[in-house]
Amino acid sequence: DTAVSQTPKYLVTQMGNDKSIKCEQNLGHDTMYWYKQDSKKFLKIMFSYNNKELIINETVPNRFSPKSPDKAHLNLHINSLELGDSAVYFCASSQARGVNEQFFGPGTRLTVL
Amino acid sequence: AQSVTQLDSQVPVFEEAPVELRCNYSSSVSVYLFWYVQYPNQGLQLLLKYLSGSTLVKGINGFEAEFNKSQTSFHLRKPSVHISDTAEYFCAVAKTSYDKVIFGPGTSLSVIP
Repeated sequence: DTAVSQTPKYLVTQMGNDKSIKCEQNLGHDTMYWYKQDSKKFLKIMFSYNNKELIINETVPNRFSPKSPDKAHLNLHINSLELGDSAVYFCASSQARGVNEQFFGPGTRLTVL
Repeated sequence: AQSVTQLDSQVPVFEEAPVELRCNYSSSVSVYLFWYVQYPNQGLQLLLKYLSGSTLVKGINGFEAEFNKSQTSFHLRKPSVHISDTAEYFCAVAKTSYDKVIFGPGTSLSVIP
């Protein structure tokens, strides 16, 4: 059983399109995260939810909108995609917020043409 | 703001040789430190963490790290590396137990047969 799963694994799309990435965790964790990893492997947190409540909202363009329908799911919707959005997006979860171990999904490689 | 420096972007090492991956963090009254590993085309997984107590922390796969407050360092070591240790290694820090975790830029470890 996959602990943290993401769909799709690969996403290739044109500039200006709108796309979504879905994330699910079956670990019973309270906290979920979205990270962006650029081509140089630099990992930056974007958002975090704790029990469906947004607790971290970094300096991210408002074209990016997270949504947590329940504790086990955290989706990421991106409007008007730009070339610079090309990256690998990782979902992660942890038992609680803060310094608990984070469990990462396999990543979604987004390519904007 | 808390920050993490990993001075070595790439570290090549021969199989069965020892390795040390360096990590320094910006000084703070309290600090929580982590090492995560990312194998090719996978998400990150926790190797070890320092929250308090003994400054020598042992992790999975034979890795260990030592917290040195005076040098603001948390270097990762392994006495004998295997080919399977080839991966990206990320040092990470949090200022408080409820703070977000900030990841360093990563060090790419390549084990040469």
